[in-house]
Amino acid sequence: GQQVMQIPQYQHVQEGEDFTTYCNSSTTLSNIQWYKQRPGGHPVFLIQLVKSGEVKKQKRLTFQFGEAKKNSSLHITATQTTDVGTYFCAGPGDSSYKLIFGSGTRLLVRP
Amino acid sequence: GAGVSQTPSNKVTEKGKYVELRCDPISGHTALYWYRQSLGQGPEFLIYFQGTGAADDSGLPNDRFFAVRPEGSVSTLKIQRTERGDSAVYLCASRGRTGAGELFFGEGSRLTVL
Repeated sequence: GQQVMQIPQYQHVQEGEDFTTYCNSSTTLSNIQWYKQRPGGHPVFLIQLVKSGEVKKQKRLTFQFGEAKKNSSLHITATQTTDVGTYFCAGPGDSSYKLIFGSGTRLLVRP
Repeated sequence: GAGVSQTPSNKVTEKGKYVELRCDPISGHTALYWYRQSLGQGPEFLIYFQGTGAADDSGLPNDRFFAVRPEGSVSTLKIQRTERGDSAVYLCASRGRTGAGELFFGEGSRLTVL
């Protein structure tokens, strides 16, 4: 079945440093979504990418969808302690309504 | 309600017992999902409802797990003869017809099977 892999599993950065997480799918995706889960919290939707090569920005966060629509990335510029959490990508499974989540990248930020 | 509501927030039970977890989705959301999340892992798909019917239950691990949504709103996830391996956070999410198709998650029900 369709799999979504994320790397790295874990990253610990100094506040102010940049951070990037990568998401790779075994199949071409019609779209990809990103979620953030704070420690002890639930996943919260960040963004959806649909077009090949699409780039979207939300303040310090930049999201990219690969040209082949099989990979995506999330880059955070100048991390802050409020960025702490686990970032998940998610793509449609064997049907459009079935969202398959990656294993997530856990971000820790040293103040 | 304003968000997805799940009860109980915590449930501790003994191996072999029966458990029910409840989800009240955002009003008007026809799509409802159950996911299971183990420590350090991403949410794992269990079942999807569109209205009252289970459109896809392919993620249910075995026949001890069952979910219903009789009136197309509140859903109950039922686990029979619980096992220690069932311990996890059970997340419910709903999705509306508009927007980016994003899922709105509840706070989850943490199940611990002793």
